[in-house]
Amino acid sequence: RKEVEQDPGPFNVPEGATVAFNCTYSNSASQSFFWYRQDCRKEPKLLMSVYSSGNEDGRFTAQLNRASQYISLLIRDSKLSDSATYLCVVTGTGGGADGLTFGKGTHLIIQP
Amino acid sequence: EPEVTQTPSHQVTQMGQEVILRCVPISNHLYFYWYRQILGQKVEFLVSFYNNEISEKSEIFDDQFSVERPDGSNFTLKIRSTKLEDSAMYFCASSADRGFYEQYFGPGTRLTVT
Repeated sequence: RKEVEQDPGPFNVPEGATVAFNCTYSNSASQSFFWYRQDCRKEPKLLMSVYSSGNEDGRFTAQLNRASQYISLLIRDSKLSDSATYLCVVTGTGGGADGLTFGKGTHLIIQP
Repeated sequence: EPEVTQTPSHQVTQMGQEVILRCVPISNHLYFYWYRQILGQKVEFLVSFYNNEISEKSEIFDDQFSVERPDGSNFTLKIRSTKLEDSAMYFCASSADRGFYEQYFGPGTRLTVT
């Protein structure tokens, strides 16, 4: 199973700022891409799927660059409640009921 | 909103004992998964299950692990003879369809092996 690499942070960002982080994945055959968020000692919660054309959900924008094998997440107008660990997640070749491959996560702290 | 549920929330067991972790996936989902997360480490895939059989398993999922869907709603993970290194958070997840589809996670069972 190939790896997903993320900058662990922490990213300390003032409330209202824009923050961006990336991840890279090693399996060029990966088919599906997601961002999950995980609060301390809680389950991963799906934030958004990532599509080749890029997609936006409110203050969150995700981009996928298949050629360079990286995925990005941009958070605008950050809120205190955005403080969490953001997990970059990919699936394998999609030929079956693939398990997800998780990065270790990027820890984000929004400061008042 | 439908959600995945897991019981118990915390299980303490002695080394060598058998444990069964239980999950109720989202009702119309067809694919079920178990993951684990050792404290401070990343979430790791263990096994996927579809149509009453294992679809995929990782190298972590060795002979001491087994999964079962004993009835129409429950999905279980059994660890036959627990080791200290099995101490982790175990998450169940489900999805409506295969690999391309979003997986939704339960709140987890914290397993502590002493």
